[in-house]
Amino acid sequence: GENVEQHPSTLSVQEGDSAVIKCTYSDSASNYFPWYKQELGKGPQLIIDIRSNVGEKKDQRIAVTLNKTAKHFSLHITETQPEDSAVYFCAPKGVQGAQKLVFGQGTRLTINP
Amino acid sequence: KAGVTQTPRYLIKTRGQQVTLSCSPISGHRSVSWYQQTPGQGLQFLFEYFSETQRNKGNFPGRFSGRQFSNSRSEMNVSTLELGDSALYLCASSLDTGWEQPQHFGDGTRLSIL
Repeated sequence: GENVEQHPSTLSVQEGDSAVIKCTYSDSASNYFPWYKQELGKGPQLIIDIRSNVGEKKDQRIAVTLNKTAKHFSLHITETQPEDSAVYFCAPKGVQGAQKLVFGQGTRLTINP
Repeated sequence: KAGVTQTPRYLIKTRGQQVTLSCSPISGHRSVSWYQQTPGQGLQFLFEYFSETQRNKGNFPGRFSGRQFSNSRSEMNVSTLELGDSALYLCASSLDTGWEQPQHFGDGTRLSIL
């Protein structure tokens, strides 16, 4: 089955700095690459996603880059703010397995004021 | 547009009992998936329903079951509860079963087994 690894598991950055989280996957059939943000007491919230025919996608301070050859994709957050503090999950999905998301173990991001 | 609604938010049960959790998807969404989240195992896929049919099932024992109704609302049931079933149970909905369709999660039902 799909093996998904996220790095780092914890990340602490100063407010205003950038944060990068990397996700490595094993299933070469994966075609859809979302990132989720989970705050305390809440469910995962989809913050950005990318399809396999696109190398990069940006939405304001958040961007995702994809390297299908190396089988990894990364979440980039610029100008970090205290409200960015949360646990972030990658969850690549392939055509096989339809709606089944395979989640990474999560990255706890802390923004220090 | 209302998001995914899960009820109840919290539940306390004892070993051996059974429990039913409910999920109302986003209006117009027809696919519903369930996930279990624990500190040790992370987020794991339980099953997926579309048009009242189970399309995929994760690696969980038969004590875990679910169903979907004609209005796309879904329920999951866990019978003969064990201590290890304590977890946050999350429901996600998507428009349909297309591989590129994003899934949107509810805030979950936190189940505690005493």
